[in-house]
Amino acid sequence: DTGVSQNPRHKITKRGQNVTFRCDPISEHNRLYWYRQTLGQGPEFLTYFQNEAQLEKSRLLSDRFSAERPKGSFSTLEIQRTEQGDSAMYLCASSSGLAGISYEQYFGPGTRLTVT
Amino acid sequence: KQEVTQIPAALSVPEGENLVLNCSFTDSAIYNLQWFRQDPGKGLTSLLLIQSSQREQTSGRLNASLDKSSGRSTLYIAASHPGDSSTYLCAVSPPGANSKLTFGKGITLSVRP
Repeated sequence: DTGVSQNPRHKITKRGQNVTFRCDPISEHNRLYWYRQTLGQGPEFLTYFQNEAQLEKSRLLSDRFSAERPKGSFSTLEIQRTEQGDSAMYLCASSSGLAGISYEQYFGPGTRLTVT
Repeated sequence: KQEVTQIPAALSVPEGENLVLNCSFTDSAIYNLQWFRQDPGKGLTSLLLIQSSQREQTSGRLNASLDKSSGRSTLYIAASHPGDSSTYLCAVSPPGANSKLTFGKGITLSVRP
């Protein structure tokens, strides 16, 4: 197992364009998380999946953002009509876990988004 | 709302020194606490996880302690070397099914040769 992977690693886009990021979690993990990190800050929670169900979304996740996890495997995060304020590192993490029990989260290398 | 604080924001020490990194959190109702390191432009590497029922965890030269009642955790690094230079972040998760993490801003450690 090679850990959590994310693609692309870097994305430069013009304001107003749509972008999509992909996360492949550790294969046996049923929980998947998206976080966003800006320079000098810790990561901030965006959304969380248990299997294919999206169970929580942060208020940071405006209606321009959508995330999916079809079949409970990989996940995609799409940003529509990007704005300069969307420039950040987007991090994905996965963990195993039973209901009511939380386990160690393992992070991917992140996708660095730059909106020009 | 849970808030996590890490002070100071940056620390520089000579090689070989033992050091302690501090983390405080406002809501003691946590499920677990996790320490990470993050190299510039990279993702996060998990170092240690302490469940709320535990007091400490050790891995090699690292030891993390947790005092829930006072809302504090420390990460102790023994015999530091330049390869330990990185940003160290602590994060806490709440009780319940959603174990989303709330992070501090991190402490940037520089170990001088």
